[in-house]
Amino acid sequence: DAGVTQSPTHLIKTRGQQVTLRCSPKSGHDTVSWYQQALGQGPQFIFQYYEEEERQRGNFPDRFSGHQFPNYSSELNVNALLLGDSALYLCASSLALSTDTQYFGPGTRLTVL
Amino acid sequence: AQSVTQLDSQVPVFEEAPVELRCNYSSSVSVYLFWYVQYPNQGLQLLLKYLSGSTLVKSINGFEAEFNKSQTSFHLRKPSVHISDTAEYFCAVMVDSPGMIGTTDSWGKLQFGAGTQVVVTP
Repeated sequence: DAGVTQSPTHLIKTRGQQVTLRCSPKSGHDTVSWYQQALGQGPQFIFQYYEEEERQRGNFPDRFSGHQFPNYSSELNVNALLLGDSALYLCASSLALSTDTQYFGPGTRLTVL
Repeated sequence: AQSVTQLDSQVPVFEEAPVELRCNYSSSVSVYLFWYVQYPNQGLQLLLKYLSGSTLVKSINGFEAEFNKSQTSFHLRKPSVHISDTAEYFCAVMVDSPGMIGTTDSWGKLQFGAGTQVVVTP
């Protein structure tokens, strides 16, 4: 049984560009959450998707957007990249009725130059 | 709103010695509590969690944590560490119900502390 997978593993972009990160949830899970982990800090909640809709959102600007597909996989899009967007982006999947148990993927390391 | 404070950014410890990682939280509503571990260049793994019931929770690899409501703490302990326990440890909270007024927008969201780096040396 595959766990949560994310792609790509690493990504280098320049300021002003746009990026798309992808996440496939653990088999059977229907809810996907995204977190940003800056270097030396704890993860910060970006948003959560369920039934293809954004259910929760953290304190992130509108440059951060997402999407969930019918197969429950998800994308995180970031527009107009800033140097401060450099971080490890973590995807977590769970069941809608038990979001207390979130399984994390290995993350995508984004570097903005 | 909830917040989590991990009182130590780094804890050096010798192999086979005990370790305690401190975590305090702030919340006006009931919360679930978690400890996650992050090994170098990896994602987060759930170590243990407190949802309800017994205030002492244990993991399969020898860690334990005790929920103390009066002190709003959830400290993590291990009586004897191994080299392989070298990692970063994160304490986190989550509102325990979507049905309470003012908390709907926080349910399902993990709020993490800044992390404690544990370095185990021989």
